[in-house]
Amino acid sequence: NAGVTQTPKFQVLKTGQSMTLQCAQDMNHEYMSWYRQDPGMGLRLIHYSVGAGITDQGEVPNGYNVSRSTTEDFPLRLLSAAPSQTSVYFCASSYAFRGETEAFFGQGTRLTVV
Amino acid sequence: GENVEQHPSTLSVQEGDSAVIKCTYSDSASNYFPWYKQELGKGPQLIIDIRSNVGEKKDQRIAVTLNKTAKHFSLHITETQPEDSAVYFCAASMFDNNDMRFGAGTRLTVKP
Repeated sequence: NAGVTQTPKFQVLKTGQSMTLQCAQDMNHEYMSWYRQDPGMGLRLIHYSVGAGITDQGEVPNGYNVSRSTTEDFPLRLLSAAPSQTSVYFCASSYAFRGETEAFFGQGTRLTVV
Repeated sequence: GENVEQHPSTLSVQEGDSAVIKCTYSDSASNYFPWYKQELGKGPQLIIDIRSNVGEKKDQRIAVTLNKTAKHFSLHITETQPEDSAVYFCAASMFDNNDMRFGAGTRLTVKP
């Protein structure tokens, strides 16, 4: 199993450009999430999904869109990048079954908006 | 929504000493409290978790305690080793809810 795979690992965008951060998991987990990590602020939840076709907003959703057409993939779209979106982005997948749960994180995407 | 506060933001200990990191949460409905370790350049990795029906859980050198009344939980690392150096995050959520909120993180440095 590859676990949670994020691409790209690094990206530089100009203000106003759009892009999609890719996230794929091969563990058949129902739950997937996107977080951003900024210095001194921990991980903040952007959007999450509890299954294919279902998405919901987290703590900081503005400026980001998501979709979940398959169990495996959960892309994060920036429609018009802003310098405030400079951050490290983490995708996670998780399960909850018979009293057990665990979230698995990807390696992260470091995004710089200039 | 849930708000998680974590202290201290940095912690430096000598190898072999114990380290304690504390978190508080605001939503009494939260019942799942994981701790993650993040090494440089990597994503967070679960190291231990606790449910609200348990007061303490231990796994070798790490342990977590939970006080539901006071809404706080703590991570204890004994006999620290240089490889324990990392950033540690606490989090809180409802067990079957994907809306997990994290603390700001603690950078632990273990000096040889």
